[in-house]
Amino acid sequence: QSALTQPASVSGSPGQSITISCTGTSSYLGDYNYVSWYQQHPGKAPKLIIYGVSNRPSGVSNRFSGSKSGNTASLSISGLQAEDEAHYYCSSYTTSSPPVVFGGGTKLTVL
Amino acid sequence: EVQLVESGGGLIQSGGSLRLSCAASGFTVRGNYMSWVRQAPGMRLEWVSIIYNDGTTYYADSVKGRFTISRDNSKNTLYLQMNRLRAEDTAVYYCATLLPGGFYYFDHWGQGTLVTVSS
Repeated sequence: QSALTQPASVSGSPGQSITISCTGTSSYLGDYNYVSWYQQHPGKAPKLIIYGVSNRPSGVSNRFSGSKSGNTASLSISGLQAEDEAHYYCSSYTTSSPPVVFGGGTKLTVL
Repeated sequence: EVQLVESGGGLIQSGGSLRLSCAASGFTVRGNYMSWVRQAPGMRLEWVSIIYNDGTTYYADSVKGRFTISRDNSKNTLYLQMNRLRAEDTAVYYCATLLPGGFYYFDHWGQGTLVTVSS
């Protein structure tokens, strides 16, 4: 199933800003504000960086921000740093089954 | 500090069984919603199962009837019993805690344990 669609890759130079999109359907993402984003470095566990569309867990840099419009959620990263190079996954909760789905992931390359 | 340490993965033949463990510290498993999430090589994350603090459990359709999530409060450990394994179950399995509210925000993750099912 491909309930949530992300671009396969994005890139940016240090200091620049980038945005990663996550497009779903009304069943997944559109009707709910229960979107989260995860950062995953190679060989590591995912890390929650955004929940509830735009909330940051304690300790997450304010360079990360989230938003949503209709069936599309977005993750923005400002002031790109080398350490931001990772895969990013969006996720959405729903009252359907399964109760949560993930996007296919976006590889961020910092040039 | 919250820590989750998975173990029990390995190479298993199709049709076999494995039990994964997730030892928790820094919090109590019985007081939290906890899940298993897996990731096949090069693939997206996939939710597998959840256990609520009241013991209610739910499963993804792909594992329903084959996998069982449980916990041992005395050992502060989460388990995933996996039976009738298939090649498509090959993945890194992560245990994770959820933020309160039940909206499936996974806030702490273990390092993962690799399960390889050979056909």
